Amino acid sequence: DIQMTQSPHSLSASLGETVSIECLASEGISNYLAWYQQKPGKSPQLLIYYASSLQDGVPSRFSGSGSGTQYSLKISNMQPEDEGVYYCQQGYKYPHTFGAGTKLELK
Amino acid sequence: QIQLVQSGPELKKPGESVKISCKASGYTFTDYAMHWVKQVPGKGLKWMGWINTYTGKPTYADDFKGRFVFSLEASASTANLQISNLKNEDTANVFCARGGLGDYFDYWGQGVMVTVSS
Repeated sequence: DIQMTQSPHSLSASLGETVSIECLASEGISNYLAWYQQKPGKSPQLLIYYASSLQDGVPSRFSGSGSGTQYSLKISNMQPEDEGVYYCQQGYKYPHTFGAGTKLELK
Repeated sequence: QIQLVQSGPELKKPGESVKISCKASGYTFTDYAMHWVKQVPGKGLKWMGWINTYTGKPTYADDFKGRFVFSLEASASTANLQISNLKNEDTANVFCARGGLGDYFDYWGQGVMVTVSS
């Protein structure tokens, strides 16, 4: 199975700050990488797919980049509604696997 | 608008069975795969497998082979998950999620909390 290693485990950011979350795959995944946000008691929501494509309706302060085994999610201009847990997911091979999650809080 | 609406919470005893439904609306059901994802409360997401909504063929992750069955009621745009011989470790929130073309999950159901307790 492809292992997805996410970092950091948690972070806190001030209003307006820019943060980055990293995801490292145990083998190349050819940009089949998605990012999700999950708020307490809610379903995950797709933010980014194909490593850098923004899902419809997602604010442009979210962006994704990367290739090969290394990917990142950047959140510019941190807002209160951006608090939550963020997961990466590879769709390159079965079984599809998720990172362990990064908890983002407002400082 | 696209929606996936799942059935309600379930409380079961070990050894019992449960069937969870996921009704899709707002798109052509057979054009997109349906995936199932497990989340133990307070923990991360685990992919259980998927079903081809056009052919009905299921694919299961290794940890979900044997007691888990994905099925369809295509005429009702509904995907189902049946779990038999329930164990305490099956206690989790179970989501259905529509499969995008690159095997990402673009729409999710609200989740069904399955609690297994004697």
